[in-house]
Amino acid sequence: EAGVAQSPRYKIIEKRQSVAFWCNPISGHATLYWYQQILGQGPKLLIQFQNNGVVDDSQLPKDRFSAERLKGVDSTLKIQPAKLEDSAVYLCASVPGQNTEAFFGQGTRLTVV
Amino acid sequence: LAKTTQPISMDSYEGQEVNITCSHNNIATNDYITWYQQFPSQGPRFIIQGYKTKVTNEVASLFIPADRKSSTLSLPRVSLSDTAVYYCLVGWRGGGNKLTFGTGTQLKVEL
Repeated sequence: EAGVAQSPRYKIIEKRQSVAFWCNPISGHATLYWYQQILGQGPKLLIQFQNNGVVDDSQLPKDRFSAERLKGVDSTLKIQPAKLEDSAVYLCASVPGQNTEAFFGQGTRLTVV
Repeated sequence: LAKTTQPISMDSYEGQEVNITCSHNNIATNDYITWYQQFPSQGPRFIIQGYKTKVTNEVASLFIPADRKSSTLSLPRVSLSDTAVYYCLVGWRGGGNKLTFGTGTQLKVEL
């Protein structure tokens, strides 16, 4: 079974630029999460989708971050404009309908300079 | 959501049993306890989940006392490859469960 795919693996941008991350969850998984993990900290939930609807985006900085999950499959997370403090690993995870075991991708490491 | 407290770090040697305890005093009746493992440059990986008493799989055991206010992840005979961060999560089991991670426990295994 293919895992959660994320791209790109690494991205370096200058502050105030925009960036987008892509996630392809495991086929059939209804729930999709985006996390931000700053070095030395645990993953912080940014947004949770159930199919193509948003369940929780209370911790998403909506002035600069946006996310969508069209057709309830792939998802993209965008940052515009980026700040230095956005440097982190962005993780995507998906969960089958009735199981709390989440499957994570390898993440995208973003460096903002 | 129930808040969890874990030790920041633990050290061990190869071949030893390691027990990592997590406190979750405000656990709700419907909450399950789940542990994840994370290696550097990788996403977290599910280890084990339980509701009460003891759960064992091929990787670890999870001990949960009757009051469920804490839980202990037990790793038998650790090796260098078990060096990782271990996270304890508490939440409702079901589709769309909110997964909230704490700071985790950094386990370092040495020869």
